[in-house]
Amino acid sequence: QSALTQPASVSGSPGQSITISCTGTSSDVGSYNLVSWYQQHPGKAPKLMISEVTKRPSGVSNRFSGSKSDNTASLTISGLQAEDEADYYCCSYASSSTLIFGGGTKLTVL
Amino acid sequence: QVQLQQWGAGLLKASETLSLTCGVYGGSFSDHYWSWIRQPPGKGLEWIGEIKLSGSTNYNPSLKSRVTISLDTSKNQVSLKLRTVTAADTAVYYCARRIRGVITLDYWGQGTLVTVSS
Repeated sequence: QSALTQPASVSGSPGQSITISCTGTSSDVGSYNLVSWYQQHPGKAPKLMISEVTKRPSGVSNRFSGSKSDNTASLTISGLQAEDEADYYCCSYASSSTLIFGGGTKLTVL
Repeated sequence: QVQLQQWGAGLLKASETLSLTCGVYGGSFSDHYWSWIRQPPGKGLEWIGEIKLSGSTNYNPSLKSRVTISLDTSKNQVSLKLRTVTAADTAVYYCARRIRGVITLDYWGQGTLVTVSS
């Protein structure tokens, strides 16, 4: 069970939009609409940002959106703000009732 | 408001057993799955496993031989045991609530740093 593939880092300027990809296989991301995204600030527990590929929990800014195409899920953050600087992780359901995380992406707001 | 509070030993010697407990306060204990996730220092998240109210468990294949997750429904607590630890098991360990039917981990504990010394 290998981790989902995410870029190690992405960056953007305030107000810009960025997209973080999460690539899996036909056994996980490609087979289920069960991808979630988590934001983690240093020293803090992860926070749910997107569930079931596209659903945004109550309280999460509508600047965050999710999508999926084939074996790749994506998280888009529009109107970047300084507070968005954090690590982001994707998570997918995989075979045999297991969950698998991506390696994480460090977002830097320039 | 749902709160997950974790506790357990933070310093172990190699070959010992890691033991952590997660208390669930507020919300329904029975309508969800209860997961454990860990994060080595400076690294990414790794799913350890989960338990359903029925007691049925699912584990990460890479840890399955050493892990036991259990429930105490009378106390609304979930426990993690990881046997025969090594330095590679040094990590922050989190408990989290998973919404039944999806993989959404919507509430997390505060995390517990467990350090294994050789």
